[in-house]
Amino acid sequence: IAGITQAPTSQILAAGRRMTLRCTQDMRHNAMYWYRQDLGLGLRLIHYSNTAGTTGKGEVPDGYSVSRANTDDFPLTLASAVPSQTSVYFCASSEKLGAVIAFFGQGTRLTVV
Amino acid sequence: AQSVTQLDSHVSVSEGTPVLLRCNYSSSYSPSLFWYVQHPNKGLQLLLKYTSAATLVKGINGFEAEFKKSETSFHLTKPSAHMSDAAEYFCVVSDQGGTYKYIFGTGTRLKVLA
Repeated sequence: IAGITQAPTSQILAAGRRMTLRCTQDMRHNAMYWYRQDLGLGLRLIHYSNTAGTTGKGEVPDGYSVSRANTDDFPLTLASAVPSQTSVYFCASSEKLGAVIAFFGQGTRLTVV
Repeated sequence: AQSVTQLDSHVSVSEGTPVLLRCNYSSSYSPSLFWYVQHPNKGLQLLLKYTSAATLVKGINGFEAEFKKSETSFHLTKPSAHMSDAAEYFCVVSDQGGTYKYIFGTGTRLKVLA
């Protein structure tokens, strides 16, 4: 079934630890995005990628890094997690940057303690 | 600068009665506007979109929204609520001025009472 797969679905992480959230899409979309969702704030863009090999910063990029080695995968890394990074993280994709995003992944619930 | 305001954080309706979820936007350019739905523990799904064509937009599951430029509004409606409509709804603006960024509202949680 075509779509976006995120892993893990949830994680409890000790502060200071490194963590990579995985995202894979099978729709051959060029653009991919990472958002975080916090209560009362809606979704905010962390990083995006226009195409394989290129990435860009969103609204709240600090403390996060991404890579785009190929079209399908767009991992999000927290180099040294802090409690303020406790959130639900959503990955999304679109045919090209700025095209309509039809679906987001099911999310990764991350708790940093 | 763009922004979007969802006027109600929670809305409760009885099953079979109309739904109205309110959204006002601010944009320097001709905006694209979207409504997304998020069911519990699920990702967001696009309900409908406005991209400068017809001002009345029909979406999935019987929802529709009307773009009113004079009122800078994009309210979401449905004539008759169903229990399965209980979810969180997000209004989103993305300007067509050359950027790609979505600005999300803070969400409206819809509760449907039996």
